[in-house]
Amino acid sequence: GQQVMQIPQYQHVQEGEDFTTYCNSSTTLSNIQWYKQRPGGHPVFLIQLVKSGEVKKQKRLTFQFGEAKKNSSLHITATQTTDVGTYFCAGRGNTDKLIFGTGTRLQVFP
Amino acid sequence: GAVVSQHPSRVICKSGTSVKIECRSLDFQATTMFWYRQFPKQSLMLMATSNEGSKATYEQGVEKDKFLINHASLTLSTLTVTSAHPEDSSFYICSAKQGARASYNSPLHFGNGTRLTVT
Repeated sequence: GQQVMQIPQYQHVQEGEDFTTYCNSSTTLSNIQWYKQRPGGHPVFLIQLVKSGEVKKQKRLTFQFGEAKKNSSLHITATQTTDVGTYFCAGRGNTDKLIFGTGTRLQVFP
Repeated sequence: GAVVSQHPSRVICKSGTSVKIECRSLDFQATTMFWYRQFPKQSLMLMATSNEGSKATYEQGVEKDKFLINHASLTLSTLTVTSAHPEDSSFYICSAKQGARASYNSPLHFGNGTRLTVT
């Protein structure tokens, strides 16, 4: 079945440093979404990418969808302590099911 | 914005009892809802897809007789963990898709989750 992997599993950065998480799917995706989950909380939708090669920005966050629609990345510029949490990509193939990636846990030290 | 309410947020029950978790879409109709399970420090694992008015579709390895799903209306889906055991202790999260059934591009809106502890 469809598998979605993310690397790295964990990332510890100093406040102000950049951070990137990579997402790879075993199958071609119709779209990919990104979620953030704070410790003890539920996933919160960040963004959705649909088109091949699409790049979207939200303030310090940059999201990219690969040309083959099998991979994606999230880049955070100049991290802040409020960025702490686990970032999940989630992809849909040709069904309605949204399969979550393994997640990257980000820790930011002040 | 779209709001999904999940209740209860936390439940402790004794082994052998059943627990019902409710998931409601408050300001939109959800023809499809999804139930996920999340163990500590792990990802969300899809358990089943719940479609209004029809039987749920379970993922491989999920016991449908143990995790009963009912989606009787466009705003409510329930998950019942029957004869719960300690290994069923987990974080259960529901989500609802806003948009037409055939729209694969709709984001999911998540409930706040239910932390189940079986003693």
